[in-house]
Amino acid sequence: SQKIEQNSEALNIQEGKTATLTCNYTNYSPAYLQWYRQDPGRGPVFLLLIRENEKEKRKERLKVTFDTTLKQSLFHITASQPADSATYLCALKTGANNLFFGTGTRLTVIP
Amino acid sequence: DVKVTQSSRYLVKRTGEKVFLECVQDMDHENMFWYRQDPGLGLRLIYFSYDVKMKEKGDIPEGYSVSREKKERFSLILESASTNQTSMYLCASTDGRGSGANVLTFGAGSRLTVL
Repeated sequence: SQKIEQNSEALNIQEGKTATLTCNYTNYSPAYLQWYRQDPGRGPVFLLLIRENEKEKRKERLKVTFDTTLKQSLFHITASQPADSATYLCALKTGANNLFFGTGTRLTVIP
Repeated sequence: DVKVTQSSRYLVKRTGEKVFLECVQDMDHENMFWYRQDPGLGLRLIYFSYDVKMKEKGDIPEGYSVSREKKERFSLILESASTNQTSMYLCASTDGRGSGANVLTFGAGSRLTVL
């Protein structure tokens, strides 16, 4: 069956360090992968998209990598800040018109 | 600022009641979606729509129906609410014309409790 796994439910990290979140998938051949941020009681907000033929994408302190051989995406936040504390979701689009979401990783940046 | 607006942030209903969740987007998007989000299960697609009066089942359509009479409005209907439909409901939209990227814009969510 199709599966998307985000490495852990929760991740705590010290302010200033780099946070690395993992998204692994099986039985997909995704056209692209997206990362969203979700704050408590709010809807997810789109952050970054990376296509299957791209290895890396950056946006300010955010970096996403995509390894279709390993079936894995890594999401990095450099110089993390308490304001980065949130749940981060990965989502894969396959050939169908649908996005499949992971369950998310709750990141806490400790001052 | 583009927006997806869900009319109710919090609802409490009784088992067997009919429930309407309304969603409006102001971005002239073609596609609209309803998800539910539960702890440990992530976001699961209930229904989506590519055009007015069109609807497609998602992964968990049972117990739900939808209505899209106008392009900007997509309603989720629980004909007879049950306790296992207690959840956070998220509406989203995307411009499906040409981009192929399906970046979703979500509403703030409607938290439904069925007693």
